[in-house]
This record gives sequence, structure tokens and C-alpha cells, in this order.
Amino acid sequence: KAGVTQTPRYLIKTRGQQVTLSCSPISGHRSVSWYQQTPGQGLQFLFEYFSETQRNKGNFPGRFSGRQFSNSRSEMNVSTLELGDSALYLCASSWDSSREQYFGPGTRLTVT
Amino acid sequence: DQQVKQNSPSLSVQEGRISILNCDYTNSMFDYFLWYKKYPAEGPTFLISISSIKDKNEDGRFTVFLNKSAKHLSLHIVPSQPGDSAVYFCAASGHSGGSNYKLTFGKGTLLTVNP
Repeated sequence: KAGVTQTPRYLIKTRGQQVTLSCSPISGHRSVSWYQQTPGQGLQFLFEYFSETQRNKGNFPGRFSGRQFSNSRSEMNVSTLELGDSALYLCASSWDSSREQYFGPGTRLTVT
Repeated sequence: DQQVKQNSPSLSVQEGRISILNCDYTNSMFDYFLWYKKYPAEGPTFLISISSIKDKNEDGRFTVFLNKSAKHLSLHIVPSQPGDSAVYFCAASGHSGGSNYKLTFGKGTLLTVNP
């Protein structure tokens, strides 16, 4: 069974631009969660989607948004990029987002 | 407010010895706990989990212990191997309030296993 895939793997953007990251979950998983990892901060929860509905959201500004499609694929968008948005963005899929989640390799976003 | 804490940023052990990674939590609504391993430039990999109805779970060289009264869990790796060198994250979840539908992670402990 194929694992979680994320595209693109690396991205360089300029302050003020916007970016869209994509995640394809493991086949059969309907829950997709997004996390931001920065040095020294661990994994910070962004949001979780299940059957195209956002069920939980972390403490991030409204510039961070996401969506999920009927095939469970998910995208997250960050508008008006700031230098502090430079991070590794991780997507994880699961049967139950309160149990084992399986992570993709991440998208490394650099904002200059 | 950090609900899951890994107080040791790093740990160094000799190959063949035991590695013990510790994690504390503050939210009494957490009822499920997990450990993940992460290599650089890769996503975290699930290692082992434990439900709050248990106090121990084993999987090969990995054992997780849960002390609910102390709100403390630990991961034991025996024997440690150089390939175990990675960052280890503790995570927790619950089924009420804001802990629904998500894992709350600690900041990680970098384990180095020396040959």
C-alpha cells in the first residue's frame, strides 16, 4: 500500500506571496491532519479534515487554511507569507486522527 | 501552554545499552499515547502506542510504560543500536474538548547511539 505523499517537497517563496501544498493520504484513510515543524518547537497542529469537513483547528492565524476533496486528498494554503512561516509542513493520514497517524515526508517551505 | 513535555532535548547512549526517553503530560483528558521516530528530511514514523487502560506495551526492542498517577510515560529501547539515532517525539490524544481529532506532540528528544 502506498504511503502518504506530499508535493512539492521543497519550495522557496517571497514574503507576501501565497503557497498551496498538497497531500495524498494512504488509500482508505479519510482523515488528514496538517502540522508545522520548526526548530525547537516540535510539531504544531494546524488542522484536521475528515470527509471534507474541518473538525479541529490549531492556534494559527487565518492566513493558514485548508480543504479536503471527495477523494480525501487535501491541500493547505498560506497567504501573505511571512519569514516566520519558513518550516517543514507535514501531512498525516489515519483511520482515526486520535490514534495512529501516518506521516508524509513533508514540504520544506522557505520564505525569503 | 505545553501539554506534552519532553524535558531532555538530547540523550546519548552506548550501543547495546538501554535508552530511556521520558515524557510528561498535563492534560488529564489524554487517554492515548504514542511515540514517533524522526530522521532528518523525513516525516515522523510511528513506533509504538499505549492506551490509558494499560501500563505497559511491548513491541520487539521497544517498550512503553505509562504511569497515569504521575502523568508520565517512558520509552525503553533495549538493546540500543546506532540506527536508532533519531529524534523521538511523544504524542498524546483524548476524546473530549480541544483534544479531539488531533495528536499533541512534545518538542522531541534527540537520541544518539554511539558504536
